[in-house]
Amino acid sequence: SQLAEENSWALSVHEGESVTVNCSYKTSITALQWYRQKSGKGPAQLILIRSNEREKRNGRLRATLDTSSQSSSLSITATRCEDTAVYFCATDSNNRIFFGDGTQLVVKP
Amino acid sequence: AQTIHQWPVAEIKAVGSPLSLGCTIKGKSSPNLYWYWQATGGTLQQLFYSITVGQVESVVQLNLSASRPKDDQFILSTEKLLLSHSGFYLCAWSPHSNERLFFGHGTKLSVL
Repeated sequence: SQLAEENSWALSVHEGESVTVNCSYKTSITALQWYRQKSGKGPAQLILIRSNEREKRNGRLRATLDTSSQSSSLSITATRCEDTAVYFCATDSNNRIFFGDGTQLVVKP
Repeated sequence: AQTIHQWPVAEIKAVGSPLSLGCTIKGKSSPNLYWYWQATGGTLQQLFYSITVGQVESVVQLNLSASRPKDDQFILSTEKLLLSHSGFYLCAWSPHSNERLFFGHGTKLSVL
């Protein structure tokens, strides 16, 4: 069974619009992380939000965490073409870090 | 600054042949180290992790093994490749548990 999963396979927006990627998870966590992976590259971490936090920001990115519903969201404002990538959430429980299936985001000019 | 280097960048191997992939981290002592596998278009599946030299924990059994012979080195290997081993192998490190992962550039493996 998947321990973390994003709720959309793919999203498409136009540059400048905002977009939200959602994630649900099935295990108790110490932290939840959001990563972005561009084609042919290793993933890069965007935000780490700990289980005692509800919201975290990083520039145009905002992550939320709801431990009662075991869900998280990543919002990107003022999207740019270079935001095109696959976005993963990952649950972190004592060195066992499980990634969701990912959401492909395409930002069109 | 810390750097992570994976080798080789790409490999084409025959079914049944052996494999060894490597990863070196410079600039950080005693990092946590991780191996991930990713099928084309798929998610990242954690294979192994190590929090200290000589100790490796297996997360998913895929007929692969891992070793950490030195503090800054993590090796992934198998004696007999299967077609299902094809994919993208990523090494990652973190300063300690429950922190961000820093990934290498990955190794693309094609098993024919």
